[in-house]
Amino acid sequence: LAKTTQPISMDSYEGQEVNITCSHNNIATNDYITWYQQFPSQGPRFIIQGYKTKVTNEVASLFIPADRKSSTLSLPRVSLSDTAVYYCLVGDNDYKLSFGAGTTVTVRA
Amino acid sequence: DSGVTQTPKHLITATGQRVTLRCSPRSGDLSVYWYQQSLDQGLQFLIQYYNGEERAKGNILERFSAQQFPDLHSELNLSSLELGDSALYFCASSVGSGIANQPQHFGDGTRLSIL
Repeated sequence: LAKTTQPISMDSYEGQEVNITCSHNNIATNDYITWYQQFPSQGPRFIIQGYKTKVTNEVASLFIPADRKSSTLSLPRVSLSDTAVYYCLVGDNDYKLSFGAGTTVTVRA
Repeated sequence: DSGVTQTPKHLITATGQRVTLRCSPRSGDLSVYWYQQSLDQGLQFLIQYYNGEERAKGNILERFSAQQFPDLHSELNLSSLELGDSALYFCASSVGSGIANQPQHFGDGTRLSIL
């Protein structure tokens, strides 16, 4: 089972960029890296997914180095509503999913 | 709204009992995943079904079982319940069978409390 490691928490202020790095040394060749956002009493919500290099959508960017042993979720210009828990997810060759323990991001005014 | 519906939202029962959690996937999705989320374990993948067939297993206990029906809804059965089974149980769905190479859409969960 791939092991994923994330920081437990991060603090930021409105308007700043937040970067969260997830380590996943045992990622499988054909697997993608996916990030989810979760608010209290809700299910996780898909943010972004990538395989290598950089992926960008309307809410975030995902940076993946060539060795793919880590990934960094970048949230530009965060607002108070971005306060949530962020999870990275990868799969391994045994078809088992591994969520990181989650990073609690707190955005302050 | 993710399009994934889970019922019931809350369930309170006693040790030794059996419960069934239900999930209706997003329209068009063929895969259903079940997860357990507890304070000390985080999100744990339990099992995946794709188009009615079991596709992958994670950390699912032998006391737990699941199935996916022809209409693609899924049920998670938890038996001989223990205090430690108290948790949030999430269902997610996706279009294809790939376990980690596509977005999953999560329901809002069933909160199970064992007294």
